[in-house]
Amino acid sequence: ILNVEQSPQSLHVQEGDSTNFTCSFPSSNFYALHWYRWETAKSPEALFVMTLNGDEKKKGRISATLNTKEGYSYLYIKGSQPEDSATYLCASFNNAGNMLTFGGGTRLMVKP
Amino acid sequence: GAVVSQHPSWVICKSGTSVKIECRSLDFQATTMFWYRQFPKQSLMLMATSNEGSKATYEQGVEKDKFLINHASLTLSTLTVTSAHPEDSSFYICSASRSGSIHEQYFGPGTRLTVT
Repeated sequence: ILNVEQSPQSLHVQEGDSTNFTCSFPSSNFYALHWYRWETAKSPEALFVMTLNGDEKKKGRISATLNTKEGYSYLYIKGSQPEDSATYLCASFNNAGNMLTFGGGTRLMVKP
Repeated sequence: GAVVSQHPSWVICKSGTSVKIECRSLDFQATTMFWYRQFPKQSLMLMATSNEGSKATYEQGVEKDKFLINHASLTLSTLTVTSAHPEDSSFYICSASRSGSIHEQYFGPGTRLTVT
């Protein structure tokens, strides 16, 4: 994997559904994986930063896992609410480039 | 804490004019600031990295004479798009990081530039 990729690009779910998205990233020279939540007309908000293989982080109904050996992270949202509607971005930081490389984002829409 | 503002949020300018976008860290000192650009349906792409008091480092393919970056203080960086053309129309977003932690970046809300 050369780039950071996210899937799906967009997702429509009903209120109360649980959902998850995938972020794939290059595993070489890996340093950190970031998840951001980005609502329209607002700043991207940091959700999680993960560095260790096997890391799991949780914030309310949202959680994330990290596999640095195979280069993927999952973001889970349990019991989606309309206010969860946003674009979820992941970004990988590696030691070689010293820069954040972003995926294209997953746009989540939660219908009441 | 860690709030970053950007001004203006929207700007429309005529082809050939220059536009300045400001990025401010409101409650922390930002030793490093970053400028990204996002074209429709694409990822945020890093344009340049600037450290306070130093010249910016531009990513490959980004013209430094066209996109002038100034980071004169620990709370302010500016991006000036010189002689703007319609193909420069894009979403520009800045981020800032504290000393010793460049991978943890705090983002502004972005600026939508439209060049007519």
